[in-house]
Amino acid sequence: DAGITQSPRYKITETGRQVTLMCHQTWSHSYMFWYRQDLGHGLRLIYYSAAADITDKGEVPDGYVVSRSKTENFPLTLESATRSQTSVYFCASRTGRQGPYEQYFGPGTRLTVT
Amino acid sequence: QQQVKQSPQSLIVQKGGISIINCAYENTAFDYFPWYQQFPGKGPALLIAIRPDVSEKKEGRFTISFNKSAKQFSLHIMDSQPGDSATYFCAASNSGTYKYIFGTGTRLKVLA
Repeated sequence: DAGITQSPRYKITETGRQVTLMCHQTWSHSYMFWYRQDLGHGLRLIYYSAAADITDKGEVPDGYVVSRSKTENFPLTLESATRSQTSVYFCASRTGRQGPYEQYFGPGTRLTVT
Repeated sequence: QQQVKQSPQSLIVQKGGISIINCAYENTAFDYFPWYQQFPGKGPALLIAIRPDVSEKKEGRFTISFNKSAKQFSLHIMDSQPGDSATYFCAASNSGTYKYIFGTGTRLKVLA
């Protein structure tokens, strides 16, 4: 399917476990982003990537790790999940062309850490 | 300076009424101001966007008003419909950085 997909859509994990959220896009967009959405905070940027093997921190990177070995994939790993990481996670992508281009969002992953 | 302040947090409007959501920013380097619409269980999707060289942009029932001197912009939804019930996020970007700074969101409910 064309577009941007995330998996799993729902995940329950225990405190201290490692969990990886997957993001895949079919547009060959250069830029990819990970956000978390929490009530009262809106969408906050965790990490972003300008191209394969190029990543950088966003506003709330602590406790998260990303990688980007292929342009189309941008996994987000919580190395040791904490309850404060319970959230809805969104992946987004956009073209690398200069200018005001749209970010396209995936459907989200709802993560619960017990 | 990187914040975008959005209000109100929630809004209830009667069908056919006007919904108004406001955002304010501080960073004068921002040059792109999109609004995203999010339905429950879905990802945000671009609704309408404006650049600071114009004061207003209209697309159907949705209008962005932009006040550069006040560093404020707002979304007006005319003739609001129950199908407009969603969460709306404003954002700001310096197009050279590719990153958005989002507001905290407004949950809109349009009563039938």
